[in-house]
Amino acid sequence: QKEVEQNSGPLSVPEGAIASLNCTYSDRGSQSFFWYRQYSGKSPELIMSIYSNGDKEDGRFTAQLNKASQYVSLLIRDSQPSDSATYLCAVKPPGSARQLTFGSGTQLTVLP
Amino acid sequence: DGGITQSPKYLFRKEGQNVTLSCEQNLNHDAMYWYRQDPGQGLRLIYYSQIVNDFQKGDIAEGYSVSREKKESFPLTVTSAQKNPTAFYLCASSSTRPDNEQFFGPGTRLTVL
Repeated sequence: QKEVEQNSGPLSVPEGAIASLNCTYSDRGSQSFFWYRQYSGKSPELIMSIYSNGDKEDGRFTAQLNKASQYVSLLIRDSQPSDSATYLCAVKPPGSARQLTFGSGTQLTVLP
Repeated sequence: DGGITQSPKYLFRKEGQNVTLSCEQNLNHDAMYWYRQDPGQGLRLIYYSQIVNDFQKGDIAEGYSVSREKKESFPLTVTSAQKNPTAFYLCASSSTRPDNEQFFGPGTRLTVL
């Protein structure tokens, strides 16, 4: 069983729509959760971090965390073609010093 | 500008050669990491270091070696023992803050000829 799972996609949404990306994790007790955006051929860029249950908003991005159900999601409002990328979910499992476990990513395409 | 630099951007290796990938950061971060990414895959941890002169193996350390002689630098050597080294190699760093936000360098793409 993968420790961090994401739907690989591809996920396609029309421009202006809400894109919803989901991630589940297996290690109950994980405390820190991150979303990275990775454009093709480039390195990952941190876009959101969340540590407490509930929602965290930053501009068009909202991260949602539910520790009881062991999932974390990322909503992108008013999606733009420039949001087309692979989105990686990363989790800091319990007991790790600073290492993160990454999902394999969801490829998002925003259609003009 | 603060950031993480990796060199070279592209690297070609012949069978049986050792190659060294450079990673430098000026963010004053204590912790540094090396990841490998294969096409369509997530990131897998090779080695990490939380402090100078100390480092630990990650999930896929076989065939790789590292050193941490300076806080700013964490070079990775891909040895001839690594049987399938063609991949995208990413270096990251983080502070000692508990939230452990990791920031990545631009990466090195290694191809075995």
